[in-house]
Amino acid sequence: GAVVSQHPSWVICKSGTSVKIECRSLDFQATTMFWYRQFPKQSLMLMATSNEGSKATYEQGVEKDKFLINHASLTLSTLTVTSAHPEDSSFYICSARDLAGGTYEQYFGPGTRLTVT
Amino acid sequence: QKEVEQNSGPLSVPEGAIASLNCTYSDRGSQSFFWYRQYSGKSPELIMFIYSNGDKEDGRFTAQLNKASQYVSLLIRDSQPSDSATYLCAVKRDPGRRALTFGSGTRLQVQP
Repeated sequence: GAVVSQHPSWVICKSGTSVKIECRSLDFQATTMFWYRQFPKQSLMLMATSNEGSKATYEQGVEKDKFLINHASLTLSTLTVTSAHPEDSSFYICSARDLAGGTYEQYFGPGTRLTVT
Repeated sequence: QKEVEQNSGPLSVPEGAIASLNCTYSDRGSQSFFWYRQYSGKSPELIMFIYSNGDKEDGRFTAQLNKASQYVSLLIRDSQPSDSATYLCAVKRDPGRRALTFGSGTRLQVQP
């Protein structure tokens, strides 16, 4: 099956610093990747849709200048949390659609747990 | 009204019983429906997807879709303790939107 990886799996950073999270599709090409955020005991909330070679589409309420998304290739998207604050502490999960897939299935990465102190 | 609604649970069933998980959605234009299982601290994993009204079976799992009632359910037969997790219902709303909208999830506990 299709595999999506994320790096790092967890990160602790100080308030005010920036953190970059990578999402890679390992055995397929993905023109579209999605970034979700999940707070404890809550569901996944879509933050943005990342399109290869173009600007990301952000959901309402998500600051695009704070959450920078780059989708430079068909296998890599990055999310940078700039000037992180404790309220940004969350579980960040990416997913990707297989370019050649005939279904609407999305493959999820294992997630990155961010803790801002 | 939330776009995708689920009872948060916990739903507790004895081992070997049938677990029934329910989900309703508000957008009649929704076209595809997914059930994900999420263990604590892990990302979701796809169990089943369904597009057409009726039932779809895969092993111990059966997804049921009723578009007229805007209702989708997941039945787990012969529930096992390893099935204990949070089950997320997700909906793809229309052709122009490729992202999934998730419900808040139902926590299932299978008692040995």
